[in-house]
Amino acid sequence: DAKTTQPPSMDCAEGRAANLPCNHSTISGNEYVYWYRQIHSQGPQYIIHGLKNNETNEMASLIITEDRKSSTLILPHATLRDTAVYYCIVRVAMNSGNTPLVFGKGTRLSVIA
Amino acid sequence: DGGITQSPKYLFRKEGQNVTLSCEQNLNHDAMYWYRQDPGQGLRLIYYSQIVNDFQKGDIAEGYSVSREKKESFPLTVTSAQKNPTAFYLCASSETGVGEKLFFGSGTQLSVL
Repeated sequence: DAKTTQPPSMDCAEGRAANLPCNHSTISGNEYVYWYRQIHSQGPQYIIHGLKNNETNEMASLIITEDRKSSTLILPHATLRDTAVYYCIVRVAMNSGNTPLVFGKGTRLSVIA
Repeated sequence: DGGITQSPKYLFRKEGQNVTLSCEQNLNHDAMYWYRQDPGQGLRLIYYSQIVNDFQKGDIAEGYSVSREKKESFPLTVTSAQKNPTAFYLCASSETGVGEKLFFGSGTQLSVL
């Protein structure tokens, strides 16, 4: 699976958009980009995933560059409850027999009032 | 409600003692996983299982054992051979093959007395 690079920490003002970057320059054509987040002392929570098109759901938007070497997770109106560690993961989806998702250290997002 | 239940939430182990962490899911998922998380670190895979009566070692399986006798249960035993067991343990499941969207339990914090 492709390796990802994320900044260790970011701050965001409450009510503003939080833009979390992820570099995955060695991503393969059949690898998806997944985002999870982990609030302190809880299990990670799935946010969104995509292949090459931009994706949006009730939690966030995922913007993937045309060359697929980087992506950005956007929380449009960050709240204090969005303070968490955000993990960007790339891997092949729907492919049994491969190893499971590998979580790096992620980005610690602090939303400030 | 469907979900994953981990118990206990807190567990203490004495030197030389084996302890078992429980993980139960009622999501009818085929695949289940155990991850370990140390403070300030990402998640590391201990064991995973794609189907009943079958499981594979992850990156840090030494000192741990698992069983998968039922689809809904995947208990993890931390043996006395695990010399540094203090960590946050997370169980997860997924509905398709390995690597698809993961659903996590709330975790068990294991400490050594």
